[in-house]
Amino acid sequence: AQSVAQPEDQVNVAEGNPLTVKCTYSVSGNPYLFWYVQYPNRGLQFLLKYITGDNLVKGSYGFEAEFNKSQTSFHLKKPSALVSDSALYFCAVGLSGNTGKLIFGQGTTLQVKP
Amino acid sequence: GAVVSQHPSRVICKSGTSVKIECRSLDFQATTMFWYRQFPKQSLMLMATSNEGSKATYEQGVEKDKFLINHASLTLSTLTVTSAHPEDSSFYICSAFPSGGTSYTDTQYFGPGTRLTVL
Repeated sequence: AQSVAQPEDQVNVAEGNPLTVKCTYSVSGNPYLFWYVQYPNRGLQFLLKYITGDNLVKGSYGFEAEFNKSQTSFHLKKPSALVSDSALYFCAVGLSGNTGKLIFGQGTTLQVKP
Repeated sequence: GAVVSQHPSRVICKSGTSVKIECRSLDFQATTMFWYRQFPKQSLMLMATSNEGSKATYEQGVEKDKFLINHASLTLSTLTVTSAHPEDSSFYICSAFPSGGTSYTDTQYFGPGTRLTVL
């Protein structure tokens, strides 16, 4: 069965410091991985995705993620955090079979303090 | 960019009444939309796949007679919560593919969500 895990419920980082939000996955076949961000009482906004190719994926708002096949990870990173980055972050994996369905991780709250 | 809207953004209703939530793709056509449910501080749970011109397909454990889905056009899907009860209170989010088809490599775009409170 395909699954996504985000091992940290919350990540705290000081503004200006680098941030990492962790995600590991379990899939059969090639993984298709996504990161979304959710601000309070809002829907999800797409940040980036990995389908194939370069393991380092660059996305919106200065975020990037590194696909690591051997560690089955897809951690989200940003070199310098902003207070406005504080939000709920979801990692997701696309299910095979061309259904378009996504399986989401449990989410990680990022808190960036000034 | 691809924009998905939902209406209403917030609704409060009495127990036993029905509530309809609309999901619209504003600048693209969407053959397929998805409906999710999210409890506070929890992940999204896929409820059903809404297919234009055909019946929705529901995930295991989701009552299709309670959560009626209609995808009457390429830009509109509706979710009707019938005979709502307090346990149906939740945040409902829809998503859609701008390509008009579905592929597990495509990017879904999400609506802003609808907060349903059943008294």
